[in-house]
Amino acid sequence: AQSVTQLDSHVSVSEGTPVLLRCNYSSSYSPSLFWYVQHPNKGLQLLLKYTSAATLVKGINGFEAEFKKSETSFHLTKPSAHMSDAAEYFCVVSDLTGGGADGLTFGKGTHLIIQP
Amino acid sequence: KAGVTQTPRYLIKTRGQQVTLSCSPISGHRSVSWYQQTPGQGLQFLFEYFSETQRNKGNFPGRFSGRQFSNSRSEMNVSTLELGDSALYLCASRGTVGLQETQYFGPGTRLLVL
Repeated sequence: AQSVTQLDSHVSVSEGTPVLLRCNYSSSYSPSLFWYVQHPNKGLQLLLKYTSAATLVKGINGFEAEFKKSETSFHLTKPSAHMSDAAEYFCVVSDLTGGGADGLTFGKGTHLIIQP
Repeated sequence: KAGVTQTPRYLIKTRGQQVTLSCSPISGHRSVSWYQQTPGQGLQFLFEYFSETQRNKGNFPGRFSGRQFSNSRSEMNVSTLELGDSALYLCASRGTVGLQETQYFGPGTRLLVL
């Protein structure tokens, strides 16, 4: 069985400051991990994914995440927040590479607020 | 390539009615998955179809069903609607980018049950 915990339901940062969204996972196998972003009234957009290649994964819009097996973590970071980053972020785990037949297991989401 | 499209985008129904939602995957993608998103439960997996066959199913009652056509378009049906079925229903199609498979989501259908 797989599960994912997003440690913060809301994160508020000032524009231009770093962003850290925390995610811990549990998986029986070697997991695939994803971060998705959802802007209001929009679908989900893939930010980045980890599938057992490099542990530091770079995504779109300046985001990156580091897979730490010893800590079962996959935290999302960005050096400098932009107002357009305000959205809901979901950490996602799958036991099968690419998010296979079992479907994806989503965290509850972290609402990122950017203060001007 | 056009993205995943879902129709309709918004829908209002009353309790006891049934509803059909449609999803057209990205061209060439044969896998379509459906998810329900609610404020209380978050995003939950409903089912996945691949080449017209249901490959896996989440933990939802039998009122939720789906099918996939030969052109990979998928429909989801919910019968005997309940107030708790009000949600955003997301469809995702899966395909290969480079050597890895990735799920791409549509904008969703927002269903309100009165």
